[in-house]
Amino acid sequence: GDSVTQMEGPVTLSEEAFLTINCTYTATGYPSLFWYVQYPGEGLQLLLKATKADDKGSNKGFEATYRKETTSFHLEKGSVQVSDSAVYFCALSVGGYNKLIFGAGTRLAVHP
Amino acid sequence: ETGVTQSPTHLIKTRGQQVTLRCSSQSGHNTVSWYQQALGQGPQFIFQYYREEENGRGNFPPRFSGLQFPNYSSELNVNALELDDSALYLCASSLNRDPDTGELFFGEGSRLTVL
Repeated sequence: GDSVTQMEGPVTLSEEAFLTINCTYTATGYPSLFWYVQYPGEGLQLLLKATKADDKGSNKGFEATYRKETTSFHLEKGSVQVSDSAVYFCALSVGGYNKLIFGAGTRLAVHP
Repeated sequence: ETGVTQSPTHLIKTRGQQVTLRCSSQSGHNTVSWYQQALGQGPQFIFQYYREEENGRGNFPPRFSGLQFPNYSSELNVNALELDDSALYLCASSLNRDPDTGELFFGEGSRLTVL
């Protein structure tokens, strides 16, 4: 069945460090891919998305490229801030309605 | 602030009881989805309602049921509660059914503990 695997956390970084959170997927058909973020005390928010191979989603300095050949959608940011501390979820959808399949989440902690 | 509100925020039930969770969607959104998030895991899709009809269901037993009202608010009902039902229940609303075009807006969730 369809699934998402993302790197385990927590990931602990110093401010201004480079961030990569790995995400790979298994899917029948042609999924759309998403990154959601959950800040402390808040609901899940869409961070970025890509709907077809080679698309790059970007938002707030974060980027992820839909790589069909490696079935990956890794999240990157060149310089993290303390305010980026949150739990990040990779997700996919197949089938054209709002059924998202989420990974287990990766907690990011950024220290000054 | 996503405009999606859920109630109650926390509740405790005992095994075998029934629970109703409520969700008020963002203004103008006609689609509501429910997810279950167990501790340390990602959310799992329960079902979706579009214009008051169930429009997709995940791998959850029939004791999980829902409703969507004419104002597009929604309820999740769980009968015969089991210990494994302890989780954070998330509601998400969107303008339409397709996540490719319709961004999901999540509430902060209702945390259910079953003793």
